Amino acid sequence: QLQLQESGPGLVKPSETLSLTCTVSGGSISSSSHYWGWIRQPPGKGLEWIGSIYYSGTTYYNPSLKSRVTISVDTSKNQFSLKLSSVTAADMAVYYCARHGSHLTTVITWWFDPWGQGTLVTVSS
Amino acid sequence: QSVLTQPPSVSGAPGQRVTISCTGSSSNIGAGYDVHWYQHLPGTAPKLLIYDKSNRPSGVPDRFSGSKSGTSASLAITGLQAEDEADYYCQSYDSSLSGLWVFGGGTKLTVL
Repeated sequence: QLQLQESGPGLVKPSETLSLTCTVSGGSISSSSHYWGWIRQPPGKGLEWIGSIYYSGTTYYNPSLKSRVTISVDTSKNQFSLKLSSVTAADMAVYYCARHGSHLTTVITWWFDPWGQGTLVTVSS
Repeated sequence: QSVLTQPPSVSGAPGQRVTISCTGSSSNIGAGYDVHWYQHLPGTAPKLLIYDKSNRPSGVPDRFSGSKSGTSASLAITGLQAEDEADYYCQSYDSSLSGLWVFGGGTKLTVL
């Protein structure tokens, strides 16, 4: 059974870079036809897709966050990571990782499944 | 402000039927793009409930169903049970610069 688990610092200072890792178990990132994504949910707000990556390194980013986001993959560790630079209080959220759509299908059909349990990142000095 | 609009809350008594709407625009649902639904209990991983408008993953009861018309989609839950109390989110693809894969703001379902 495929499982995903987020990890990383729960507290980041304003203007610094948020870094999170998602560890995938029960399946191999490099042998999957799927992309792998990051989604966040600020307190009291809805879900926001951040970006997604294929094991080859091909990425999609949310245009509203693209200038500050870097997503990378480490197939040797079966992990993918998120870096969000110059964080502010608006970046405080629960961050989720999830398996995204398959490159064998058209992007307009893509959904997220399964998801990790999420990790809360607080932005405060 | 979410790209897809959902009612903040809905409620129903056990056994009843409730629907949750998801309203989009011509750049997402209205363009014919698929709509997917998720169930989320706080503190747990969101769970895929409906994909491609009306398909259920294995293990999801047939009490849950999805539909779409024009720029809107709906999630229907029949035979409401206490365990259905959760937050529900819709998701679709958007061809504008709103974010590619977009979500609704979420609907809190309360089972009375």
